[in-house]
Amino acid sequence: GQSLEQPSEVTAVEGAIVQINCTYQTSGFYGLSWYQQHDGGAPTFLSYNALDGLEETGRFSSFLSRSDSYGYLLLQELQMKDSASYFCAVRDLSNQAGTALIFGKGTTLSVSS
Amino acid sequence: DVKVTQSSRYLVKRTGEKVFLECVQDMDHENMFWYRQDPGLGLRLIYFSYDVKMKEKGDIPEGYSVSREKKERFSLILESASTNQTSMYLCASSLSGRRTGELFFGEGSRLTVL
Repeated sequence: GQSLEQPSEVTAVEGAIVQINCTYQTSGFYGLSWYQQHDGGAPTFLSYNALDGLEETGRFSSFLSRSDSYGYLLLQELQMKDSASYFCAVRDLSNQAGTALIFGKGTTLSVSS
Repeated sequence: DVKVTQSSRYLVKRTGEKVFLECVQDMDHENMFWYRQDPGLGLRLIYFSYDVKMKEKGDIPEGYSVSREKKERFSLILESASTNQTSMYLCASSLSGRRTGELFFGEGSRLTVL
């Protein structure tokens, strides 16, 4: 089977940098995605890494190391509005062409002033 | 912008009732998904569809069925609702290929079974 591990909670202060790690076990691998979900809202897509390395999108960056089965989401210049749950996800290769995503249990980020 | 619309935000049903959750997407996506989300358990895949009339079971299909008669519409059916199906249900859609890692979610349907 496939599994993903990420910390359940992370706390930080405004302006800080925080890293949310994700390790995965899969029988094959296409890529690692990250999603953000605010309380009461829908998950929204942040990033997708298919190749090793760092991809930057504004204050958020995502990193992947396929050899270590590991990735992280890096949030810089934290703002109060970044308080949310963050999920990593991998494509499930046990089903039709890896169409579906399997999600981790999520990391709740709390940003304080 | 892609829009995924779920028909009901909140539903309250009784044990044994048949429940239909409807989802419509407007961006001609091939793939559609139903997840349920429970505190501490993350998002768990119930069923998905990669084409009209095609469906595959996810991790927790028991007690559920799905229907996809048109490309834009994906329905989740609880044949006989039970209290352990009280949950938030999230519909999502995606393109095929490399963009499959990017899902677009609806706002969710919170179902309470009494």
